Amino acid sequence: GENVEQHPSTLSVQEGDSAVIKCTYSDSASNYFPWYKQELGKRPQLIIDIRSNVGEKKDQRIAVTLNKTAKHFSLHITETQPEDSAVYFCAASKAAGNKLTFGGGTRVLVKP
Amino acid sequence: GAVVSQHPSRVICKSGTSVKIECRSLDFQATTMFWYRQFPKQSLMLMATSNEGSKATYEQGVEKDKFLINHASLTLSTLTVTSAHPEDSSFYICSGIAGAYEQYFGPGTRLTVT
Repeated sequence: GENVEQHPSTLSVQEGDSAVIKCTYSDSASNYFPWYKQELGKRPQLIIDIRSNVGEKKDQRIAVTLNKTAKHFSLHITETQPEDSAVYFCAASKAAGNKLTFGGGTRVLVKP
Repeated sequence: GAVVSQHPSRVICKSGTSVKIECRSLDFQATTMFWYRQFPKQSLMLMATSNEGSKATYEQGVEKDKFLINHASLTLSTLTVTSAHPEDSSFYICSGIAGAYEQYFGPGTRLTVT
């Protein structure tokens, strides 16, 4: 089955700096890669996603890049703010409506 | 984004009893819903895929007789933890798919078995 590895497990950045989280996946058939943000005790919130037919997608301060050949994708957060502090999860799926396989999560701390 | 609700948000039960958790899609129809379990400071682990009108598909290592799933309508799936034990204490989260790919999560249910 699919295996998703996520790095780093923790990330501490100064407010205003950028944060980058990387994920690799094992199944070349995977074609949908969402990113979720989860605050303590809350539900995971979909913040951005990318499908395999594009290499990059951006939404304001958040961007995701995908390298299908290398089977890795990354989340980039620019101009980080304290409210960006949370746990971020990457995931992969093979098809529409299919189950997600999650990475282990990255705990991001943005220091004021 | 689409809205998924869960009830109850917290539940405490005694060892040996059963607990039912409801997951509802409020503004979309979910042919498929998923149930996850999340232990503290860990990732989400898929337990089962719930399909409306048919039997759920369980992940390897998840006991289907212990975690009963019913998906009776396009907006409601239920998870019943039977004969609960302290090791079943966890955060249970459901999700539904709105559109083709996007998966939206419920707020979760924190189960404590004493």
